[in-house]
Amino acid sequence: QVQLQESGPGLVKPSQTLSLTCTVSGGSISSGGYYWSWIRQHPGKGLEWIGYIYYSGSTYYNPSLKSRVTISVDTSKNQISLKLSSVTAADTAVYYCARAGATSGSYRYWGQGTLVTVSS
Amino acid sequence: EIVLTQSPDTLSLSPGERATLSCRASQSLSGSYLAWYQQKPGQAPRLLTYGASNRATGIPDRFSGSGSGTDFTLTISRLEPEDFAVYYCQQYGSSPRTFGQGTKVEIK
Repeated sequence: QVQLQESGPGLVKPSQTLSLTCTVSGGSISSGGYYWSWIRQHPGKGLEWIGYIYYSGSTYYNPSLKSRVTISVDTSKNQISLKLSSVTAADTAVYYCARAGATSGSYRYWGQGTLVTVSS
Repeated sequence: EIVLTQSPDTLSLSPGERATLSCRASQSLSGSYLAWYQQKPGQAPRLLTYGASNRATGIPDRFSGSGSGTDFTLTISRLEPEDFAVYYCQQYGSSPRTFGQGTKVEIK
């Protein structure tokens, strides 16, 4: 059973960089066949897709966040990471990592989510 | 970017009733690449259906998806108490992936 677990600081100061890690268990990222994504949810709001990475390192980012987002993969640790720079209060959200199949882009596996608050 | 518009925003129904949720795409979704999710407070979304009409593993058969092109529907045949939640549609036919704004199914 694949499990995803997000981790990282729950509080980030404005203008700094938000950094989160998603640790995958029950399956190897390097086995391929899946896109690993970050999705966020502002408090009381809907879901916003941030971007994805394939195990090879190829990425696609939401154009609305592209200038500030970096998603990377560490196959040796079976982790994917998210960095979001120059954060503001508008980046306060629950951040989820999720896995989609290469042929089916739906997200069957999700982490439990981690709340990141941007505040001084 | 494909915009997904869900309707209604809120659906007030009683247990045992039928729920019909709509998702309309701003462009035709090739391959019917549309999924539905259920989300309860404090939980991650749960995949219900994919490919417009395929139920995900472990999902009860009272949940069914249908549609093609730009118009898609999630039907819950008989609402159980645990079905009261927020439902989202998501397209994965093109990037960026996008979600609808959600439909809340609440107890009447």
